[in-house]
Amino acid sequence: QLQLHESGPGAVEPSETLSLTCNVSGGSISSSSYYWGWIRQPPGKGLEWIGNIYYSGSTSYNQSLKSRVTISVDTSKNQFSLKLSSVTAADTAVYYCASYYNVWISYYYFEKWGQGTLVTVSS
Amino acid sequence: DIQMTQSPSSLSASVGDRVTITCRASQSITSYLNWYQQKPGRAPKVLIYAASSLQSEVPSRFSGSGSGTDFTLTISSLQPEDFATYYCQQSYTSPALTFGGGTKVEV
Repeated sequence: QLQLHESGPGAVEPSETLSLTCNVSGGSISSSSYYWGWIRQPPGKGLEWIGNIYYSGSTSYNQSLKSRVTISVDTSKNQFSLKLSSVTAADTAVYYCASYYNVWISYYYFEKWGQGTLVTVSS
Repeated sequence: DIQMTQSPSSLSASVGDRVTITCRASQSITSYLNWYQQKPGRAPKVLIYAASSLQSEVPSRFSGSGSGTDFTLTISSLQPEDFATYYCQQSYTSPALTFGGGTKVEV
């Protein structure tokens, strides 16, 4: 059973870089059936997709965040990571990692999610 | 980018009610539409994928319909555990994607 778990600092200072890692267990991050994604949710608000990565390193980012986001994958450690630069209070959110599953043909959905980790941007 | 608009943003309902939530895409996404349920403090959980396919172990009172730009999630008989927030998500542009703004179903 695939499981995902986010880790990283719970607080980041304004203008600094937010860094999170998602550890994948119960399956291989090199599976061709998945992309691996980051999604965030500000307190009391909706879901915002940040970006996805394939095990080959191919990425897709939300255009509104693209200039500040880097997602990378480490297949040897079965994990992928998020870096978000120049953060402000507006980046305070629960950050989720998730597996984006190719169920058939070109249909995908987020199948498994981490429990989420709250990151607060504050000095 | 494809924009996803959900309506209503919230609704009040009672146990046993039939509930319908709508999601509209800014352009045709054929049937590349997923629905998720999120309870407070929990990660979202997929209910419906490809507009109308029920995810394994999801109760059959949940159903999805639609194609093109207009989609519907229906709960045929609302149960106490169904009070939650529901999100649609387009996967037409995968791996890029967009979520709708959410619909909160309250007592």
